[in-house]
Amino acid sequence: GEDVEQSLFLSVREGDSSVINCTYTDSSSTYLYWYKQEPGAGLQLLTYIFSNMDMKQDQRLTVLLNKKDKHLSLRIADTQTGDSAIYFCAERKGYGGSQGNLIFGKGTKLSVKP
Amino acid sequence: DAGVTQSPTHLIKTRGQQVTLRCSPKSGHDTVSWYQQALGQGPQFIFQYYEEEERQRGNFPDRFSGHQFPNYSSELNVNALLLGDSALYLCASSRQEDSGANVLTFGAGSRLTVL
Repeated sequence: GEDVEQSLFLSVREGDSSVINCTYTDSSSTYLYWYKQEPGAGLQLLTYIFSNMDMKQDQRLTVLLNKKDKHLSLRIADTQTGDSAIYFCAERKGYGGSQGNLIFGKGTKLSVKP
Repeated sequence: DAGVTQSPTHLIKTRGQQVTLRCSPKSGHDTVSWYQQALGQGPQFIFQYYEEEERQRGNFPDRFSGHQFPNYSSELNVNALLLGDSALYLCASSRQEDSGANVLTFGAGSRLTVL
């Protein structure tokens, strides 16, 4: 099966919180990432978390990691229409610069309605 | 800082042809990775170059090859194009000496259509 799985779609109202979920299968993953992709654009790094952490907060973004269940989530507070995009979860195995191979999920398309 | 730049942004080829895509890494970065993103899918790792050598390779056939130049820029070559090679090709750069998160910076991609 897929290494990284995400639900494909999420729709929220402007001002609400969005929660995007991701599951991964490899317990040896060292870092987990969230990337954002807007139409016609490349990937923009939003945040990342080291596997020995449970939570990381960065302004409107909160990442929660449940290593036991291999579950990662991204919460976006006060979601705005500009947050509409595809969000990718990615895992990385190993350490150091030579381990540049990220494994991505298929992405969750977030639609924010005014 | 120009970030990662890729060229061309769009191109159309026919089956059997060959294509070369180019990437200039972010200033200060010495490692380049290439990813293929098919429509509706997440990016898939093709290979990574450092010190002008291929260091890691994903599950892609030998038709996919690359090169890195002394100025750290890189090319991705695909021979004998198939319809299934139609995708967005993303280049990402990083610094080899960075341990830890080794954050990748992505370019906007080159969209290849094979007819």
